[in-house]
Amino acid sequence: EAGVTQFPSHSVIEKGQTVTLRCDPISGHDNLYWYRRVMGKEIKFLLHFVKESKQDESGMPNNRFLAERTGGTYSTLKVQPAELEDSGVYFCASSQDPWTSGYNEQFFGPGTRLTVL
Amino acid sequence: DQQVKQNSPSLSVQEGRISILNCDYTNSMFDYFLWYKKYPAEGPTFLISISSIKDKNEDGRFTVFLNKSAKHLSLHIVPSQPGDSAVYFCAASARDNYGQNFVFGPGTRLSVLP
Repeated sequence: EAGVTQFPSHSVIEKGQTVTLRCDPISGHDNLYWYRRVMGKEIKFLLHFVKESKQDESGMPNNRFLAERTGGTYSTLKVQPAELEDSGVYFCASSQDPWTSGYNEQFFGPGTRLTVL
Repeated sequence: DQQVKQNSPSLSVQEGRISILNCDYTNSMFDYFLWYKKYPAEGPTFLISISSIKDKNEDGRFTVFLNKSAKHLSLHIVPSQPGDSAVYFCAASARDNYGQNFVFGPGTRLSVLP
């Protein structure tokens, strides 16, 4: 079974440009999460989708970040316009419905390393 | 304010000995805890978890201990192997209506020396 995949693996852009990150969760996982790790610090929650709906977006830093999950499958995270402080590694994770499966484990993708110059 | 703390940024252990990684949390609503291991250029991978109704969970060489009164958990790896060298993240969550959002600690880099 394929794991969580993310594209691209690396992205280098200039300040003010736009970047779109993509995440493909494990098939059948309703829950999809975006996290960010900046400067080697802790991994911080950004937002959580249940199917196509945003369940919790309390971690989104500002309105330059837009996440979508049309159709409840893959998700995109767009940063527009990018700023220097947006540099970091963006992780996507997915999980089954914990209430029916009993599992709470989140499976992480390899991350997208974003560098804003 | 950091809700999940890992006060040791790094730890070195001799191969074959025990590695003990510590984690403290401040939010008393947390009821589920996990440890993730991360190699360079890879995403975190799940290692072991524990729910707040237990105080110990064991899986092979890995054991997680939870002390709710102290808001402290620890991961024991015994015996430690060079392949265990990685960054270990402690994560915690509080069950909400649907799904769980994890709060991660800053990580501890474990080096197992041959």
